[in-house]
Amino acid sequence: RKEVEQDPGPFNVPEGATVAFNCTYSNSASQSFFWYRQDCRKEPKLLMSVYSSGNEDGRFTAQLNRASQYISLLIRDSKLSDSATYLCVVNAKSSGDKLTFGTGTRLAVRP
Amino acid sequence: EAGVAQSPRYKIIEKRQSVAFWCNPISGHATLYWYQQILGQGPKLLIQFQNNGVVDDSQLPKDRFSAERLKGVDSTLKIQPAKLEDSAVYLCASSPRGLAGAFGTYNEQFFGPGTRLTVL
Repeated sequence: RKEVEQDPGPFNVPEGATVAFNCTYSNSASQSFFWYRQDCRKEPKLLMSVYSSGNEDGRFTAQLNRASQYISLLIRDSKLSDSATYLCVVNAKSSGDKLTFGTGTRLAVRP
Repeated sequence: EAGVAQSPRYKIIEKRQSVAFWCNPISGHATLYWYQQILGQGPKLLIQFQNNGVVDDSQLPKDRFSAERLKGVDSTLKIQPAKLEDSAVYLCASSPRGLAGAFGTYNEQFFGPGTRLTVL
């Protein structure tokens, strides 16, 4: 079983739609969680950290469910510029600073 | 502020040849990471440096890969000899220090543009 699993997609949605991605992780000792965004042929960039209480940043909302070991990302009012691959990232304290990346979920927003 | 610099941006070699990649992190960043990203996958950590010391190289294929950060600033990653399965994007990232920041926050890892390696 992969340490971090994501549906690779692609998710094709119209502008203005709400879309949600889920990610599951296998290591119950994981303690830090992130969503990174990666545009085609570009480097990954941090989108947001995911905190236990959930957090929101504009149109983006991240949630963590430790009991079920999954993380979600909700994007409201999708824009064309949201088209990218969204990488779920996990860190376990036992692994130091090592970040474990999922394979990513591809989002395509159409006009 | 200048970002993480990497060179070359693209490299094509034949199998069994050697290749080296260079990374210059953001000024003042103590921690430097090398990742391998194979097409369709997420980045995988190869090695982490804290200043000029190795913190984690557990996933570095040491029979063919080597990396150094002699003066605690820029770094080189070498593959010798290359195999077909080494075709990937090699990403360098840096952060001010390790992952944990102050008051429960996290230090972001800033990635460079990567070097796209094709092994024929």
